Amino acid sequence: KAGVTQTPRYLIKTRGQQVTLSCSPISGHRSVSWYQQTPGQGLQFLFEYFSETQRNKGNFPGRFSGRQFSNSRSEMNVSTLELGDSALYLCASSLAGAQVGDTQYFGPGTRLTVL
Amino acid sequence: EDQVTQSPEALRLQEGESSSLNCSYTVSGLRGLFWYRQDPGKGPEFLFTLYSAGEEKEKERLKATLTKKESFLHITAPKPEDSATYLCAVQEDTGFQKLVFGTGTRLLVSP
Repeated sequence: KAGVTQTPRYLIKTRGQQVTLSCSPISGHRSVSWYQQTPGQGLQFLFEYFSETQRNKGNFPGRFSGRQFSNSRSEMNVSTLELGDSALYLCASSLAGAQVGDTQYFGPGTRLTVL
Repeated sequence: EDQVTQSPEALRLQEGESSSLNCSYTVSGLRGLFWYRQDPGKGPEFLFTLYSAGEEKEKERLKATLTKKESFLHITAPKPEDSATYLCAVQEDTGFQKLVFGTGTRLLVSP
């Protein structure tokens, strides 16, 4: 069974630009969550999508947004990039999203560098 | 607000030297506590889920335990391939899939 895939794996952008990252969950998984990982802050929750609806959102500015499609694939967008947005962006998927301790499986991440 | 604290930040062991990693947490209602392993440049790899105090789970040289305030990851007779960052995360019973992570323990096992 294929794991979570993320594209692209690496991205270099300049300040002020915008970027779109893509995530394909494990087949049959309906919940997709996004996390930002930096050396200083560790892994921080961005948002979660389930059945094309955002169910939960972390403490990030409105420049960070996302969406989920009917096939459960998800994209996240960051507008007006800042240097501090440089990070590893991780996508995680889980089965139904509402069950006790539903395990999240992570993709390899997209390494975003903002110059 | 949910909080997760892991200790030590870094740990260096000789091959075969057993030890434990600690994860202390505060959460209003615990749905689950998760352990992940992360290698450099890769996404976290799932290891265990623990749901209630007293629960234990084992996998090869790893054993995870849970109390009402903390979890331990015991590593028995580690090998160099166990070198990685070990992450602990909690999921609140009202937060859907949101995981709150600790900053991790970097483990280095020397041959």
